[in-house]
Amino acid sequence: AQTVTQSQPEMSVQEAETVTLSCTYDTSESNYYLFWYKQPPSRQMILVIRQEAYKQQNATENRFSVNFQKAAKSFSLKISDSQLGDTAMYFCAFSDRDDKIIFGKGTRLHILP
Amino acid sequence: KAGVTQTPRYLIKTRGQQVTLSCSPISGHRSVSWYQQTPGQGLQFLFEYFSETQRNKGNFPGRFSGRQFSNSRSEMNVSTLELGDSALYLCASSLGSSTEQFFGPGTRLTVL
Repeated sequence: AQTVTQSQPEMSVQEAETVTLSCTYDTSESNYYLFWYKQPPSRQMILVIRQEAYKQQNATENRFSVNFQKAAKSFSLKISDSQLGDTAMYFCAFSDRDDKIIFGKGTRLHILP
Repeated sequence: KAGVTQTPRYLIKTRGQQVTLSCSPISGHRSVSWYQQTPGQGLQFLFEYFSETQRNKGNFPGRFSGRQFSNSRSEMNVSTLELGDSALYLCASSLGSSTEQFFGPGTRLTVL
């Protein structure tokens, strides 16, 4: 069975710093998708970034980028120039072809002023 | 486009009762997934419907059931409520095929 592990339950960084959230996963599939979702306090979950496993190039979305290491089954999220609005719960997620999405337990990120 | 809507937003029930939660997906989305979110267990997948058919199911007891209507709206039902069913229940819709899931605001269920 697929699993997703986020080893950092909680992190705090100063505004404008760069922070990296870790995620590892386990699967026997060769083709799959990986996601980072963000859940701000009392607000809806939104997609931050998506990576397709067959694409070697790491996905980027403005200040958000991933380091996808397929052989190591690692999918970390880097947030550059962190902002107060980045304070949220971040979930790493995995999906294979049957669309079932498995989420990690999340990392609570605090951006400090 | 209107986002995913869930009703009701808050619900208080007592043990042994049953509850029905509703989810209206984004127009054109045929896939609806349900998740249970608790502080201890995180987000756990309940089930996914696509074109009125349940395609995937998580590891939840049979007390948890769902359905999807021809207009893609979905309902989930929990019978014989237990204290441990207290959680935020999230619905998400997508076009399918591992595309982005769009989440609703959730229904906060409290079982007393």
